Amino acid sequence: GEDVEQSLFLSVREGDSSVINCTYTDSSSTYLYWYKQEPGAGLQLLTYIFSNMDMKQDQRLTVLLNKKDKHLSLRIADTQTGDSAIYFCAECFGNEKLTFGTGTRLTIIP
Amino acid sequence: DTAVSQTPKYLVTQMGNDKSIKCEQNLGHDTMYWYKQDSKKFLKIMFSYNNKELIINETVPNRFSPKSPDKAHLNLHINSLELGDSAVYFCASSHRGASGGAGQYFGPGTRLTVT
Repeated sequence: GEDVEQSLFLSVREGDSSVINCTYTDSSSTYLYWYKQEPGAGLQLLTYIFSNMDMKQDQRLTVLLNKKDKHLSLRIADTQTGDSAIYFCAECFGNEKLTFGTGTRLTIIP
Repeated sequence: DTAVSQTPKYLVTQMGNDKSIKCEQNLGHDTMYWYKQDSKKFLKIMFSYNNKELIINETVPNRFSPKSPDKAHLNLHINSLELGDSAVYFCASSHRGASGGAGQYFGPGTRLTVT
């Protein structure tokens, strides 16, 4: 199957860490991505991880990949109000087709 | 600015009409895509073109016809619009074979409302 699942909502206090989770079902995915969509805007590529890696860190972002459980997570350290958005995970098949998760709406509590 | 651009940003039209959405990228990519995002924010690929050749064609009504005059442009024409076509349509581009590493770059979206 090609279902990619995420929790729909996450609320986090400003300054805390946010952890957004994603479960995918196709183990043949070569790359997994995190995209950010702010209100009324397009999708911005945040980061990606190759399927033979288990962790990638990029400034405040940490991606963890558990290939055995087909679980991907995005941790945002020191969450700020500007991080409010919908976050999509996506998996890539054959270097061309992206299948997106359902999106997680991150709300920051002041 | 190097980017993926779409026109129009908003499109309001009546059922039964025919409309087009245009997409252009100046990133030098050879592959372009159309995605549909519904009211629940669910994103699904519709089409992909590589160097003007159709390479991905998901289950989409044949009222939707993509056209790629060159590798920098991918337009979407929709005939006989229906209420269910209301959505945000995103164009994206990438290098074929490198999409996995570099990802796909998205345009700002076209919000289509069919009344």
